[in-house]
This record gives sequence, C-alpha cells and structure tokens, in this order.
Amino acid sequence: KNQVEQSPQSLIILEGKNCTLQCNYTVSPFSNLRWYKQDTGRGPVSLTIMTFSENTKSNGRYTATLDADTKQSSLHITASQLSDSASYICVVSAVTTDSWGKLQFGAGTQVVVTP
Amino acid sequence: DADVTQTPRNRITKTGKRIMLECSQTKGHDRMYWYRQDPGLGLRLIYYSFDVKDINKGEISDGYSVSRQAQAKFSLSLESAIPNQTALYFCATSGFGNEQFFGPGTRLTVL
Repeated sequence: KNQVEQSPQSLIILEGKNCTLQCNYTVSPFSNLRWYKQDTGRGPVSLTIMTFSENTKSNGRYTATLDADTKQSSLHITASQLSDSASYICVVSAVTTDSWGKLQFGAGTQVVVTP
Repeated sequence: DADVTQTPRNRITKTGKRIMLECSQTKGHDRMYWYRQDPGLGLRLIYYSFDVKDINKGEISDGYSVSRQAQAKFSLSLESAIPNQTALYFCATSGFGNEQFFGPGTRLTVL
C-alpha cells in the first residue's frame, strides 16, 4: 500500500478560482514533506518544503499546510491561472540512518484550469 | 541550458532489445537517481548512487542495471526489454539536503 495517498485524483477548475489538494501519509519517522509541480512532458519541480515544526509555507499563489499529528498536508492554489494546469505530487521523506531521507511519492493530482 | 539532461527523450523498441538511457547533470551534485513513472502510480526508485563508487538498488531494480561513469553521468540499462517496462523514466540529482532536481524524462515504449 502506498504510504502517500493524494486526493482528488484529478480536478477541473475555472481560471481565477481557488482549489485545495490533499495528501495523507503514513511515512514514519517523518523528516519533511514537499509538494512538486509536474508540467506535461517535464520532470517534477519542487514548490514547497515543510519540516515537522512548520505548519504553513507559501510560494506565490501556492500555500501548503502540514498537520504532522494527523499526517495530513494540503496545497491551496489561489486565483488559478492556465499555467497552473499540471500534476501536483506530494513527496514525503523519512528519517534514515544514512541521512539521505528515502522519498515516498504520491500518485499526484492532475489539475486542469479552463478559461 | 538545462541542469539535468536525459537522452533520448523518446524511444520505441522491441521486446528483447538492449536499451540504454543516459543522464547528465551540470549541478555538481554527488547524488543521482533513476525513477520510473507509470499512470496512476507515484514515481518509483530503480537505482541510486551517492558517488561514483557507490551504487544502490531501489525498490524496483529487477530487469535494470546502471553505470555511474563520472560524477556528472549516470546511465540506466535494460538488458532485455519487456513490454511492462514501458514507462516514463526520470533521472534526478540532489546535493546537500534532499531536494531532488529532475530531468525532462524519457518516454520508453517496448513493443
């Protein structure tokens, strides 16, 4: 079973509207959580990173939240633009003895912004 | 110029053929990774390397091999390709900290 579950699988929103993506994880012990944006035909690009002690992080119109107690994160997109159409991937890192931090990837939420 | 490049970008091959996917990076990172991405699944780690002399298997290494020719180059080989290896393959690098920087991907189709 995947240790990182994302919902919804896909969503369609009108340009200018807001939306929220969800990520639930069971990865333990927790190190950090990143949200990546993956445009069609490209590799993922990091949007935000949050550690255990952080519960909100913003990057422009993207705001991520983290509740480490319930092991949930969300990514909120404000005033969506056509360029926000992409897959958004939640990636959780576990603490490991080699300090690498093994990554667990969610399957992603496909967002389509329509005019 | 892109920091992480992959060649080829697209490849169609037949069952049983040997295929090599190449990755180069100009970020100066020691750590490099190969992932595959399938529809509806998260990226899965095939192999990773922390330096030229260090190669480690990921969660789905069967049917794949890698070579770290230099700090900047990490190649993935399919010795005898099979149809269920049809996927999108990504190379990634990381330096201090665990942010990974991904290449543009190689779309591989095995007929």
